[in-house]
Amino acid sequence: GENVEQHPSTLSVQEGDSAVIKCTYSDSASNYFPWYKQELGKRPQLIIDIRSNVGEKKDQRIAVTLNKTAKHFSLHITETQPEDSAVYFCAASIPGNKLTFGGGTRVLVKP
Amino acid sequence: GAVVSQHPSWVICKSGTSVKIECRSLDFQATTMFWYRQFPKQSLMLMATSNEGSKATYEQGVEKDKFLINHASLTLSTLTVTSAHPEDSSFYICSAREWDKTGPGQYFGPGTRLTVT
Repeated sequence: GENVEQHPSTLSVQEGDSAVIKCTYSDSASNYFPWYKQELGKRPQLIIDIRSNVGEKKDQRIAVTLNKTAKHFSLHITETQPEDSAVYFCAASIPGNKLTFGGGTRVLVKP
Repeated sequence: GAVVSQHPSWVICKSGTSVKIECRSLDFQATTMFWYRQFPKQSLMLMATSNEGSKATYEQGVEKDKFLINHASLTLSTLTVTSAHPEDSSFYICSAREWDKTGPGQYFGPGTRLTVT
């Protein structure tokens, strides 16, 4: 089955700097790659997703890039703010199938 | 956007009793819902996939007789933890799949924190 690895497990950045989280997946048939943000004790919130027919997608300060050949995708957060502090999860799925999640990255934005 | 509700948000029960958790898609129909378990500071562990009108598909290692899943309608799935024990204490989260013009997306409920005493 699919296996998703996520790095780093923790990330501390200064407010205003950029944060990058990377994920790799194993199943070349995967075609859907969402990113979720989870604050303590709350539900994971879908913040951005990308499908395999697109190489990059951007939404304000958040962007995701996908390299199908290398089977990796990344989340980029620019101009980080304290409210960006949370745990971020990447995931991958093949068409119509369940999501496989990465292990999560705990992001801390220091004021 | 797609909204998923979950009830209760937290529950405390005694060992040996059963607890039912409800997951509802509020503004869309979900033929497929998923149940996850999350331990503190860990990732989401898929327990089972719930399909409306059919039996749930359980992940390896998840006891189907202990975690009963019913998906009787397009907007409701339930998870019943039977004969609960302290090791079943956890954060249980459901999600529902919604199809939009770009393909399927998965949206999570707010979670249920179960404490078994």
